[in-house]
Amino acid sequence: AQSVTQLDSQVPVFEEAPVELRCNYSSSVSVYLFWYVQYPNQGLQLLLKYLSGSTLVESINGFEAEFNKSQTSFHLRKPSVHISDTAEYFCAVSPPGGSYIPTFGRGTSLIVHP
Amino acid sequence: KAGVTQTPRYLIKTRGQQVTLSCSPISGHRSVSWYQQTPGQGLQFLFEYFSETQRNKGNFPGRFSGRQFSNSRSEMNVSTLELGDSALYLCASSLGASGTTYEQYFGPGTRLTVT
Repeated sequence: AQSVTQLDSQVPVFEEAPVELRCNYSSSVSVYLFWYVQYPNQGLQLLLKYLSGSTLVESINGFEAEFNKSQTSFHLRKPSVHISDTAEYFCAVSPPGGSYIPTFGRGTSLIVHP
Repeated sequence: KAGVTQTPRYLIKTRGQQVTLSCSPISGHRSVSWYQQTPGQGLQFLFEYFSETQRNKGNFPGRFSGRQFSNSRSEMNVSTLELGDSALYLCASSLGASGTTYEQYFGPGTRLTVT
């Protein structure tokens, strides 16, 4: 079984500041890792994923996440946030193989202030 | 490709009633999962259907049920509604087959309010 811990329920930050949203997981097997974003009144959208290979993965809108196996972490970072990044962010893990349901964290609310 | 669609988007029901929610997955996706999202409990997995069979199930009472049709469209039903069933119900589709990644695509959700 897997579990995901998002250490911060809410992260307030000013526009153009850097941000890090933390995610730690536990699993007895290797996993795939995902970050999803949910804007108000919408469903979740995949932001980025780690399957294998380079431990640093990037999204098209400037977010990046680094897989750290020794620390079992997959923290999400952005060097300069915009007001439009205000949303709920979910970390998820899943064992390899299409028949497994991902385990989601409780979510982190990123609030960007002008 | 069209995304995941859910109908209706908003629903108001009374305690004791039942409700049916519908989800149409992305074309070619055979797996449909349902989640309940509330401020207090976060995102909770209800069940997953793959090729018309329930493949995974979360920890919800039997009042929550679902089914999947041959075209992969799915419905979930909640009987004898309780106030605590008020939530955003999200549907997610994926390829779901062995050997694929479990990347899910979510619909916009159905907001259910029970009064």
